[in-house]
Amino acid sequence: EIVLTQSPGTLSLSPGERATLSCRASQSVSSSSLAWYQQKPGQAPRLLIYGASIRATGIPDRFSGSGSGTDFTLTISRLEPEDFAVYYCQQYGSSPLFTFGPGTKVDIK
Amino acid sequence: EVQLVESGGGLIQPGGSLRLSCAASGFTFSKYAMSWVRQAPGKGLEWVSGISTTGGSTFYADSVKGRFTISRDNSKNSLYLRINSLRAEDAALYYCAKWSRYDGNSDFFDYWGQGALVTVSS
Repeated sequence: EIVLTQSPGTLSLSPGERATLSCRASQSVSSSSLAWYQQKPGQAPRLLIYGASIRATGIPDRFSGSGSGTDFTLTISRLEPEDFAVYYCQQYGSSPLFTFGPGTKVDIK
Repeated sequence: EVQLVESGGGLIQPGGSLRLSCAASGFTFSKYAMSWVRQAPGKGLEWVSGISTTGGSTFYADSVKGRFTISRDNSKNSLYLRINSLRAEDAALYYCAKWSRYDGNSDFFDYWGQGALVTVSS
């Protein structure tokens, strides 16, 4: 079973700053199987990135994804007020079919 | 506009059963696999179950295997999750999610419902 670890657990930043979120897999995964989601309080998750680096429809270009093997990164180039939320990485694999990381909370400093 | 609307949640006693439903609209339901993802209060996301376009293949997390049954009715654009032998740890918000695939091997959930809340208590 592949385990995803996200760091940091909480990231405290100010609007306009750059956010760098990490997702590490316990073993190498295909880049195409890595996705990122954003979840705000009281809302369903929203797909941001799939295939490690492909932005989903309607996602602003300040969001970018990168990485390969066991290390993946979600970068928000300049934080907007609406970007303060929890971010999850997700991997598609064998068993279980889908695995989520524990999440990184980006809050206002 | 894609819409996924869950229903059927509620307060259930331990050991009890319920069926969650998800009504889909805004896309060709029969062409997409679907999944259920749950989130316990204050916790992260946990994939629970998935089903192929025809319903011929079903998939489960080990934590629910043998107790949960996923199904779909393409004529009604609906997804279901039957939950039996409810445990305290099954209490969560259950999301219905559209399962999409890109380029043959990139799988993800591109649309989510607002969730159905399942509370387990005697």
